[in-house]
Amino acid sequence: ETGVTQTPRHLVMGMTNKKSLKCEQHLGHNAMYWYKQSAKKPLELMFVYSLEERVENNSVPSRFSPECPNSSHLFLHLHTLQPEDSALYLCASSPEVTETQYFGPGTRLLVL
Amino acid sequence: DQQVKQNSPSLSVQEGRISILNCDYTNSMFDYFLWYKKYPAEGPTFLISISSIKDKNEDGRFTVFLNKSAKHLSLHIVPSQPGDSAVYFCAASGVGNEKLTFGTGTRLTIIP
Repeated sequence: ETGVTQTPRHLVMGMTNKKSLKCEQHLGHNAMYWYKQSAKKPLELMFVYSLEERVENNSVPSRFSPECPNSSHLFLHLHTLQPEDSALYLCASSPEVTETQYFGPGTRLLVL
Repeated sequence: DQQVKQNSPSLSVQEGRISILNCDYTNSMFDYFLWYKKYPAEGPTFLISISSIKDKNEDGRFTVFLNKSAKHLSLHIVPSQPGDSAVYFCAASGVGNEKLTFGTGTRLTIIP
């Protein structure tokens, strides 16, 4: 498989659940990103990892917890989310930070 | 405060004609600009970019123009094809900054 993949593609969870989103890139890139896209809002950068080190946390609530075990994998752990967290969550990667980013298909999350 | 603005949420263009998508920015520190294209149920796909040292970049049917004094960029697609129907996002970043700031997108519909 090539490019950036994300699983699951769709997720419905209750406010007390704990779930994780997974992103995998097969491009040999060193940087990975999580974005949130809410309806009628710009894409919002959440986290940036470079060589498995977090280099940016864009004032994201602690109920979102990223994990980057290696340069090919990125997780977003979710717990006690709110309905307003329902959105499309996109993962991206780039050869190095500041270079062009390539996106996965996203996970459509619905919090009930 | 939205630093990257796409003021037209939608645009319809006849097949074969020119499509012009516009983007304005407010941050004078931005020096690298990108256009992404997004189909439903897919992540954004990188289309074309331009750095602030240029005022034009061309790639096949796609040309991006940058007017730094007006803080304005545009994407021209000519001739427009039905497969160009998608949402187009403008994005910008500053020197050495891994953070991409996105606009809200313009939905382009090509009418056969």
